[in-house]
Amino acid sequence: QKEVEQDPGPLSVPEGAIVSLNCTYSNSAFQYFMWYRQYSRKGPELLMYTYSSGNKEDGRFTAQVDKSSKYISLFIRDSQPSDSATYLCAMSRITGNQFYFGTGTSLTVIP
Amino acid sequence: GAVVSQHPSWVICKSGTSVKIECRSLDFQATTMFWYRQFPKQSLMLMATSNEGSKATYEQGVEKDKFLINHASLTLSTLTVTSAHPEDSSFYICSASPGNSPLHFGNGTRLTVT
Repeated sequence: QKEVEQDPGPLSVPEGAIVSLNCTYSNSAFQYFMWYRQYSRKGPELLMYTYSSGNKEDGRFTAQVDKSSKYISLFIRDSQPSDSATYLCAMSRITGNQFYFGTGTSLTVIP
Repeated sequence: GAVVSQHPSWVICKSGTSVKIECRSLDFQATTMFWYRQFPKQSLMLMATSNEGSKATYEQGVEKDKFLINHASLTLSTLTVTSAHPEDSSFYICSASPGNSPLHFGNGTRLTVT
């Protein structure tokens, strides 16, 4: 079983839709959870970063962590064509420097 | 925020030559940096963990003699692809973290070996 599972998509939505991206994980020691956005031929860009459980909101983006279910989500409200990219989830334990990545979900927002 | 700079952003080289890629942490010190390889439409593949002042740790299946990593200072790690061949053509990305913080990535280097 992989440490982190992420549906690769592709996901296609109309402009203005609410997008839900999800990852599941198996290691209960993970405490730090990250979402990255990667445009084609660019390095991943950090979008959201949460510690432990709960929600975090930044503009149109909301990150949710449910540690009891080992499930994290990223919601994008009022999606825009510029949100079209691959979204990667990542997580790490409370100590150490190992990071575990999902395979990424490809999102296209259609104008 | 933490910034990781990677250079060059793209490079074309002839088969048999070597190419060096630099990764710098601009506003923080990084005792550890990570090197990834990414094929089109695929996820990141960790190649090696670069440790300042000591040898890099390579992932299984990555040839340490082909992909030389040097982490000579707290802000600079280099990846040298030696005797490059067309199958080494790929997108290489470095990353680093300022302590107990998320990873920050460079903008990647697209290597084409002709």
